[in-house]
Amino acid sequence: DAGVIQSPRHEVTEMGQEVTLRCKPISGHDYLFWYRQTMMRGLELLIYFNNNVPIDDSGMPEDRFSAKMPNASFSTLKIQPSEPRDSAVYFCASINPGGDTEAFFGQGTRLTVV
Amino acid sequence: RKEVEQDPGPFNVPEGATVAFNCTYSNSASQSFFWYRQDCRKEPKLLMSVYSSGNEDGRFTAQLNRASQYISLLIRDSKLSDSATYLCVANNAGNMLTFGGGTRLMVKP
Repeated sequence: DAGVIQSPRHEVTEMGQEVTLRCKPISGHDYLFWYRQTMMRGLELLIYFNNNVPIDDSGMPEDRFSAKMPNASFSTLKIQPSEPRDSAVYFCASINPGGDTEAFFGQGTRLTVV
Repeated sequence: RKEVEQDPGPFNVPEGATVAFNCTYSNSASQSFFWYRQDCRKEPKLLMSVYSSGNEDGRFTAQLNRASQYISLLIRDSKLSDSATYLCVANNAGNMLTFGGGTRLMVKP
């Protein structure tokens, strides 16, 4: 398996634009997490899904953020409109709780909003 | 107050030294715990799970104290390659993984 795949790796966009981040979890993993990492706030959980259903989205900063998981192999995190304070590294991770619950992370998307 | 708290460091130690990190968690319902390692500009990766009885993996020893709600990581005989950020993680009910802010370790020659 290629692991968790995120795209794009880097994104630079202008304030006010829509940004869509994508994630493909490891096949068979039924939990998917979206995290945001900044120097100031560390790694923050934004939202997580179980079997494609959002379980907890209390970490989503505000209505400008939305996440979907239309099927077991794909998830998106959308920011509309984007703001400079959204600049961060966004990680996607998946786990298979039937195993040892190790979370496997994608390589992240480094978002810069100018 | 963050749910999982760590001293951000950095801890600057010479090669061969022993270094210990602590982490406290506030949710008493947390069921399992882990240490992750994150290299600069890379994704976090699992270092080891933490068991109540304590567990060891080579130079690394992890301990859990449920009564005091803290977790520790001990690294013996530090190597230059141990330089990284170490993240403490609590798994709450429903597999909700909560990460601490990380402790940065710098091992110097």
